[in-house]
Amino acid sequence: EDQVTQSPEALRLQEGESSSLNCSYTVSGLRGLFWYRQDPGKGPEFLFTLYSAGEEKEKERLKATLTKKESFLHITAPKPEDSATYLCAVQKGSSNTGKLIFGQGTTLQVKP
Amino acid sequence: GAVVSQHPSRVICKSGTSVKIECRSLDFQATTMFWYRQFPKQSLMLMATSNEGSKATYEQGVEKDKFLINHASLTLSTLTVTSAHPEDSSFYICSATPLAGVTEQFFGPGTRLTVL
Repeated sequence: EDQVTQSPEALRLQEGESSSLNCSYTVSGLRGLFWYRQDPGKGPEFLFTLYSAGEEKEKERLKATLTKKESFLHITAPKPEDSATYLCAVQKGSSNTGKLIFGQGTTLQVKP
Repeated sequence: GAVVSQHPSRVICKSGTSVKIECRSLDFQATTMFWYRQFPKQSLMLMATSNEGSKATYEQGVEKDKFLINHASLTLSTLTVTSAHPEDSSFYICSATPLAGVTEQFFGPGTRLTVL
């Protein structure tokens, strides 16, 4: 069964304290893995797409990496404005609709 | 680029009435649009996938007669919640995928539906 599992469910960090969020997946034939950020009461905001194991992408304090079984979202020296829920989603290669399978998300709180 | 809008952002209605939510891709043409619902502190649950000019494909357990989807053009999809009940209260979010060659979905800001 296709599954996406994110951990931890919640993470509290002090400003400047770097950490990583994990996204483990089991899907047959991965087309792409996506990271989104969602603020309360808003729609998800696209961050990254990763297509193959070993790929890495960076944006400001965020860096996403991908292996054959999981992806990590590394947050370096986070600031309070990085507080949000981070969602991971996968897209199967066999999908002809582009359907995404979402994980449950990790809610990050960064304290000043 | 890749901006998706939704209207209305919030709606409150009485039980038994119908509510229409619009989803528009503002700066691109969308081959496919998706409709999700999200309950508090939960992730997004896909309701249906719609392609312009054809019938929507609904996920298992989603009543197609209750959640009517119309994808009238490459920039507009609508979701109508018919005979709404309090249990339909939720956060409804649409997303859109640009024309061929792009796999990312871009999400709208969401619509908060409250059924009294």
